[in-house]
Amino acid sequence: GQNIDQPTEMTATEGAIVQINCTYQTSGFNGLFWYQQHAGEAPTFLSYNVLDGLEEKGRFSSFLSRSKGYSYLLLKELQMKDSASYLCAVRDGDYKLSFGAGTTVTVRA
Amino acid sequence: GAVVSQHPSRVICKSGTSVKIECRSLDFQATTMFWYRQFPKKSLMLMATSNEGSKATYEQGVEKDKFLINHASLTLSTLTVTSAHPEDSSFYICSARAIGQGDYEQYFGPGTRLTVT
Repeated sequence: GQNIDQPTEMTATEGAIVQINCTYQTSGFNGLFWYQQHAGEAPTFLSYNVLDGLEEKGRFSSFLSRSKGYSYLLLKELQMKDSASYLCAVRDGDYKLSFGAGTTVTVRA
Repeated sequence: GAVVSQHPSRVICKSGTSVKIECRSLDFQATTMFWYRQFPKKSLMLMATSNEGSKATYEQGVEKDKFLINHASLTLSTLTVTSAHPEDSSFYICSARAIGQGDYEQYFGPGTRLTVT
């Protein structure tokens, strides 16, 4: 099975940077995903890491260390619209995703 | 981009009735579709994996006779909640993986909010 941990809540100021950590223990690993989910909506894809290192995509970056079972999502230049839940998900060899409980990020003016 | 639709977006039904939720890939063919449920402020829990033309594979603890899944074509999967009870009230989300899609994404539908009274 998969055990995926991420903080429950984080708060930051508009324009600031926030880093959401995710640790995982898995029986199989075939990639790590980050999704954004607004209340009552489906998740939207943010990033994907399968090799160690940093993937940068505009204001969002994601890092992976497979040996440490660790990833983070970095949100830069925070905007009010970034207030949402951020889900860390690990994919196994059968392409099944296991999700963490999500981190609710609140951006304050 | 790849679009997945779900219908209905919201449904209210009475205890004991059955409800069908459709998941369609609109502009691509999906070899595999996944069904998740999500309780308020909780994460998505995978219920089952649906492959076109074959029986769905259910996750441990998910009753296959209660949650009937049919993947009749490469663009449509349905989830039927049979003999619904209030504890089945949840947000149900499907996702689809495209044929030939490299490594990557599952495309999520917008979800269906089921309320059983």
